[in-house]
Amino acid sequence: DGGITQSPKYLFRKEGQNVTLSCEQNLNHDAMYWYRQDPGQGLRLIYYSQIVNDFQKGDIAEGYSVSREKKESFPLTVTSAQKNPTAFYLCASSIGQGPWYEQYFGPGTRLTVT
Amino acid sequence: KQEVTQIPAALSVPEGENLVLNCSFTDSAIYNLQWFRQDPGKGLTSLLLIQSSQREQTSGRLNASLDKSSGRSTLYIAASQPGDSATYLCAVRYSGGGADGLTFGKGTHLIIQP
Repeated sequence: DGGITQSPKYLFRKEGQNVTLSCEQNLNHDAMYWYRQDPGQGLRLIYYSQIVNDFQKGDIAEGYSVSREKKESFPLTVTSAQKNPTAFYLCASSIGQGPWYEQYFGPGTRLTVT
Repeated sequence: KQEVTQIPAALSVPEGENLVLNCSFTDSAIYNLQWFRQDPGKGLTSLLLIQSSQREQTSGRLNASLDKSSGRSTLYIAASQPGDSATYLCAVRYSGGGADGLTFGKGTHLIIQP
């Protein structure tokens, strides 16, 4: 089955630790995105990548880092510099680099930092 | 800055009713608008994508309209069913510069009473 997988579904970390969230897609999509969702708020864009080895900051990139070494993978690292890391993280992809394409989302990872 | 507002924030109706969810955006410079469904604790499911040059899109019992000049979109759900209960999110792809991702509203939480 084609789709977007995110692992793990739930993640718990102690404050001060870096943590990496996985996002893999087998849809052969060029573009990939990371969003964050907090209760009562809309999703906000963290980082996006339109092609391999290239990525751009979104609206709330501070405290996060990404890499895009392979077309199918776009991992997100939440660093200790992120002040409020507890949130639901969603990965998305779209078939083309242009803005006209539909975005498809993965099942999400819920990160809790204590 | 582009802002997206969804009204109402919550809606509860008896099964079988037709209903309308509203979405408004502040800047008409958009490439497209996408409607999503989100079940509790899950990722987003894309329902409909309307390009800026289109007026409406239909899929089954769902019909979405777009009036770019007035900054409004509606999602019409016909003959509602309990399985339609979910949060519905509206998102626009802004064409006025800046980060290339979706700008989301906070959603409408819909409950269909059996």
